[in-house]
Amino acid sequence: DAMVIQNPRYQVTQFGKPVTLSCSQTLNHNVMYWYQQKSSQAPKLLFHYYDKDFNNEADTPDNFQSRRPNTSFCFLDIRSPGLGDAAMYLCATRAAGSDTEAFFGQGTRLTVV
Amino acid sequence: GEDVEQSLFLSVREGDSSVINCTYTDSSSTYLYWYKQEPGAGLQLLTYIFSNMDMKQDQRLTVLLNKKDKHLSLRIADTQTGDSAIYFCAVMFSGGYNKLIFGAGTRLAVHP
Repeated sequence: DAMVIQNPRYQVTQFGKPVTLSCSQTLNHNVMYWYQQKSSQAPKLLFHYYDKDFNNEADTPDNFQSRRPNTSFCFLDIRSPGLGDAAMYLCATRAAGSDTEAFFGQGTRLTVV
Repeated sequence: GEDVEQSLFLSVREGDSSVINCTYTDSSSTYLYWYKQEPGAGLQLLTYIFSNMDMKQDQRLTVLLNKKDKHLSLRIADTQTGDSAIYFCAVMFSGGYNKLIFGAGTRLAVHP
């Protein structure tokens, strides 16, 4: 059973039209991450949460926002998508303090037209 | 700051061993991971090592960690064509909220 679920798998949005990507987890992990991955590049950390404590990377554009209403769900909001925001967006979770992996979702591939 | 670097390409012959290298800048690492990504697919965790270990072996995979030099390597024995993929090194830094930072990935090409 999938433990980190991202919806939708593929999202097409118009230039400048707000879009929200969602991530849910059944693992009850307190740390959640959002990454942006462009073709053939490293996943780039945008934000992460420790419970409700939010940590924004210094170079994450202001255009990107995030919400975590509860442990299970986390959202990535792109207020005004540009062509350069087309990428794969990956959500991951991890139990802080454990000695195991970060669990990744399958990702949402965002296309901006 | 935290930074993770890898060489971008590696080409090996089928049956040979592959060694993929990774260096990182911050000594506050806790766990270090190797992920595999095939074209169009998500990230698959291959193995990981805790920062107080020097080596970990898992079937064809051997991870070596030199914490003094901040150097991590992944050795794949008897490399097969199915091993062709991009391999990402990722480092969990203990400062703040356990940031997981990825290297740029090494594209492994296996040829007959």
